[in-house]
Formats: sequence, C-alpha cells, structure tokens
Amino acid sequence: AQTVTQSQPEMSVQEAETVTLSCTYDTSENNYYLFWYKQPPSRQMILVIRQEAYKQQNATENRFSVNFQKAAKSFSLKISDSQLGDTAMYFCAFMSQGAQKLVFGQGTRLTINP
Amino acid sequence: DGGITQSPKYLFRKEGQNVTLSCEQNLNHDAMYWYRQDPGQGLRLIYYSQIVNDFQKGDIAEGYSVSREKKESFPLTVTSAQKNPTAFYLCASSWGQGTGEAFFGQGTRLTVV
Repeated sequence: AQTVTQSQPEMSVQEAETVTLSCTYDTSENNYYLFWYKQPPSRQMILVIRQEAYKQQNATENRFSVNFQKAAKSFSLKISDSQLGDTAMYFCAFMSQGAQKLVFGQGTRLTINP
Repeated sequence: DGGITQSPKYLFRKEGQNVTLSCEQNLNHDAMYWYRQDPGQGLRLIYYSQIVNDFQKGDIAEGYSVSREKKESFPLTVTSAQKNPTAFYLCASSWGQGTGEAFFGQGTRLTVV
C-alpha cells in the first residue's frame, strides 16, 4: 500500500524567507502523480503544485517549486519569498495512475510571521 | 459554475443514528473520494469510486457506506457502527485517467450530540 510521510508537523519562518517542506512516499509503482495541497483556516483544499512521475523536470508555479527525487521517493516543496497568506496546513499527496487512489500525508502546519 | 458541492456544512447526529452526507459534482469527473480529517491529523481515505456503480474501501472504511448510482453523486452514510464519527469530512473528485488533480468540496463538520 502507498504511504506518504511528512516528518515536520510544524514550521515557522519570517515573511520573505524561503522555506522547504519535506515529503517522502512509498510505492512500488512507476507511474503516479504527486501533489502539494494547501489548507488555509477556511479549510478549503487548494492545489499548490503537481508533478508527474515520468517527468524528470521539477515543477514550478511562481514562488512554489518542488524537488522531486524519484529514486529516493522524496518530494519536497520550496516556498520562496514567503508571504503572510502562505500560512496554512500543507499536505503532500500521492495518486497512483492506475488505481486512482489519492493518499495524503499527515500535514505540516506552516506559519509565516510578520 | 463547475464545482463540487457538499451539504450540509454542519451536521449534528444523535448516538445510534445513521446520517448521510451529500457530495455532488458537475465537473464530469469519473473519480470521487471521501476523506475524514481529525484535528492534528491528515486526510484519511474512507472510500473512493473510479466509475459509476463501483467503489473501493479506503484506509478507514469501517462504519461507513457509500453508493455511486450517478456519475455526479457520491453520498457517504455514517452508520451507528462508527464509534467516533465527530470529524470534518471532505469530498473530492478527479478526472480519473486524466490529469490526476483532485478538486475538493467545502467540507461537512459532523458532530455527535
């Protein structure tokens, strides 16, 4: 069974700093998707960034980028120039392409301080 | 507007009662999911469905049941067998064999009184 592990329950940085959230996963499959979702206090889940396993190039969305290490089964999220609005829970997620089962990690609570 | 709608937003259940949470999507998505979220924990998968009339158990299916009679609807019933049902429940949908991205509803907060 696929599992997703986020080893940092909480993180806190100052505004404008760069922060990296860690995620590791376990799977025997070769084709899959990885995601980072953000959950602000409203509890609405918002997709931050996605990565297809077959792509070697790391995904980037504005201030958000990932470091995808397929062999190490690692998928970290880097937030550059952090903003107060980035304060939220961040979840790493895995979806197998065949079974379409979407599994989440335990989450990292990120606080951006002014 | 296309989207995924959960209702109600807040739900109260008495001990021993079954309750049904609604999830409707008009995104023409094939796959739908139900998750439970407890304080300090991540999203745990209850059930998911890849196509109409088919669904699979997730990691914490005991005490829950689902149906998928229509593509756009995936209701979740919390039965009296679920001993600790107070939680936040999230429904999601995705294209299935497509992009993989899941879209989420606003959630339902269930409280046992």
